[in-house]
Amino acid sequence: GAVVSQHPSRVICKSGTSVKIECRSLDFQATTMFWYRQFPKQSLMLMATSNEGSKATYEQGVEKDKFLINHASLTLSTLTVTSAHPEDSSFYICSARDVVTHEQYFGPGTRLTVT
Amino acid sequence: AQTVTQSQPEMSVQEAETVTLSCTYDTSESNYYLFWYKQPPSRQMILVIRQEAYKQQNATENRFSVNFQKAAKSFSLKISDSQLGDTAMYFCAFMKQNTDKLIFGTGTRLQVFP
Repeated sequence: GAVVSQHPSRVICKSGTSVKIECRSLDFQATTMFWYRQFPKQSLMLMATSNEGSKATYEQGVEKDKFLINHASLTLSTLTVTSAHPEDSSFYICSARDVVTHEQYFGPGTRLTVT
Repeated sequence: AQTVTQSQPEMSVQEAETVTLSCTYDTSESNYYLFWYKQPPSRQMILVIRQEAYKQQNATENRFSVNFQKAAKSFSLKISDSQLGDTAMYFCAFMKQNTDKLIFGTGTRLQVFP
């Protein structure tokens, strides 16, 4: 089956630093990937839609300069949390849409802790 | 704007029994998709079942089936012969046709007891 990986699975960073999270589709191509944020015991909230070769589309209330998204190839999207603050601590999940089947597949998530 | 509501924060069921998780949604769209996703303790989101709004027949996947009531905007999930491995958070989700954006409900935590 289709597999989406995320790296790292866990990251701890200091306040004010930046951290990059990678999302890869391992056995299919994805022109579109999505980034979600999930707080403890809460639902997934869509942050942005990542489009290969073009700018990401951000949901209302999401700061595009803080959450930088780059979708440079058909198998890789990255989310960079810039100048991280403790309130950015969360679980970040990506999903990728298969260009052939149009199904969305989710990555295993990345737990970010900002100290 | 579309909204998805799951009114049961937590449910429990005994192994081998049947449980139904509720989901309602609000939309003015006529063409859309509905999904149930499972998120076990590993946090990996897994698609359980999918329903196209234009299909009247309820979707079924082995022990999982849905009761889709379009007029009532209701989309419940029935799990038959519950297994310990079904213990997880279950999210109902909506997707408007020709978009890929999933709108998730708040989730229902299901605990299956031996």
